[in-house]
Amino acid sequence: GAVVSQHPSRVICKSGTSVKIECRSLDFQATTMFWYRQFPKQSLMLMATSNEGSKATYEQGVEKDKFLINHASLTLSTLTVTSAHPEDSSFYICSARDDGAEQEVNTGELFFGEGSRLTVL
Amino acid sequence: GIQVEQSPPDLILQEGANSTLRCNFSDSVNNLQWFHQNPWGQLINLFYIPSGTKQNGRLSATTVATERYSLLYISSSQTTDSGVYFCAVELWNTDKLIFGTGTRLQVFP
Repeated sequence: GAVVSQHPSRVICKSGTSVKIECRSLDFQATTMFWYRQFPKQSLMLMATSNEGSKATYEQGVEKDKFLINHASLTLSTLTVTSAHPEDSSFYICSARDDGAEQEVNTGELFFGEGSRLTVL
Repeated sequence: GIQVEQSPPDLILQEGANSTLRCNFSDSVNNLQWFHQNPWGQLINLFYIPSGTKQNGRLSATTVATERYSLLYISSSQTTDSGVYFCAVELWNTDKLIFGTGTRLQVFP
């Protein structure tokens, strides 16, 4: 299957600082990428949809000014957690779907990165 | 919004046992995927199965879209099968994948 890579895999930061997480599609192009957050022993919650060349679409309850998303190319999306606080500590996972995969409208397998574990002290 | 419920929430098995995990969803969906999340958090794609039945080794899955459920079968379980299993559904007219509540599986030798 397609490969999605995230960096860093782990990051520890002080409260009030900003942290950037990168998500790359290694062997395919992705116009759309998705960012999820997962708290311990919980399911994955969709935060936002990242669209190449345009603004991200955020899910209800997700602060767009706190979680900045940039999708500057067809293979890279970044999530910046601004002014991080301890309650932002979580596992952040990105995903992408291959633009070139043979598919009908609204179909296609989604592939996930390895995840980035953020700890805010 | 759509509800995606998985059962059982927790499952403990001895190596070699078979199991069935269930995923119920409250609305019609365009697609469905099953994932295994390993202890390091990595999501591993198991099946992309909007309908019908697929098999891959000891695993198989069946989705009955008209009745809004999917089943994941694990046969002859191994300790390496331990982890959390998620189903995720894609709604019509959207490309978003919504995750179920998960089933935590522990397989003991």
